[in-house]
Amino acid sequence: EADIYQTPRYLVIGTGKKITLECSQTMGHDKMYWYQQDPGMELHLIHYSYGVNSTEKGDLSSESTVSRIRTEHFPLTLESARPSHTSQYLCASRKDRGYGYTFGSGTRLTVV
Amino acid sequence: AQTVTQSQPEMSVQEAETVTLSCTYDTSESNYYLFWYKQPPSRQMILVIRQEAYKQQNATENRFSVNFQKAAKSFSLKISDSQLGDTAMYFCAFMTPNTDKLIFGTGTRLQVFP
Repeated sequence: EADIYQTPRYLVIGTGKKITLECSQTMGHDKMYWYQQDPGMELHLIHYSYGVNSTEKGDLSSESTVSRIRTEHFPLTLESARPSHTSQYLCASRKDRGYGYTFGSGTRLTVV
Repeated sequence: AQTVTQSQPEMSVQEAETVTLSCTYDTSESNYYLFWYKQPPSRQMILVIRQEAYKQQNATENRFSVNFQKAAKSFSLKISDSQLGDTAMYFCAFMTPNTDKLIFGTGTRLQVFP
């Protein structure tokens, strides 16, 4: 059973809308990450956080923003959705260095 | 730059047979971690197996084992007695203590046939 939860699972939204993708984990992990997975299934790190009030941009430039006000919560926001934002977004957290990440089930976003 | 290469976009195997997925990586670091992740269709990505670079012994997890060749920078995954539930995308991934970020390969789509 997953200890990291993403909602919604699927989202279809019109261009220009503001959206927030939710990610919560119950494991008490400090490190959290957002990956964008393109239709070819490649994974690109777009944001990460090392703890409360810590956020960093990842390797792939993204128009999204993130916040980390609580340890367990790491939401991702798109102020104005565009068709180019259509993708799957995966949230992950990490226990200790070297243990890899635990992933959520993902949010599949379609912007029309 | 650190990179992970999976040269097999797609593989197929018959149920109960053995299949090996290839992965190579490039790094100048001596201490790092390697992982194989499985992503079934429309389902959560899960960790299959992990290997610490300073350990010479190859990791095994039930039907899954790796062949870790540090000098060749190779990290292949062997799945024995393949099952229909093994059908998924498999990603090889790499992390160093310095970067603290997982770098993924492009994935191999594995189809297990009855």
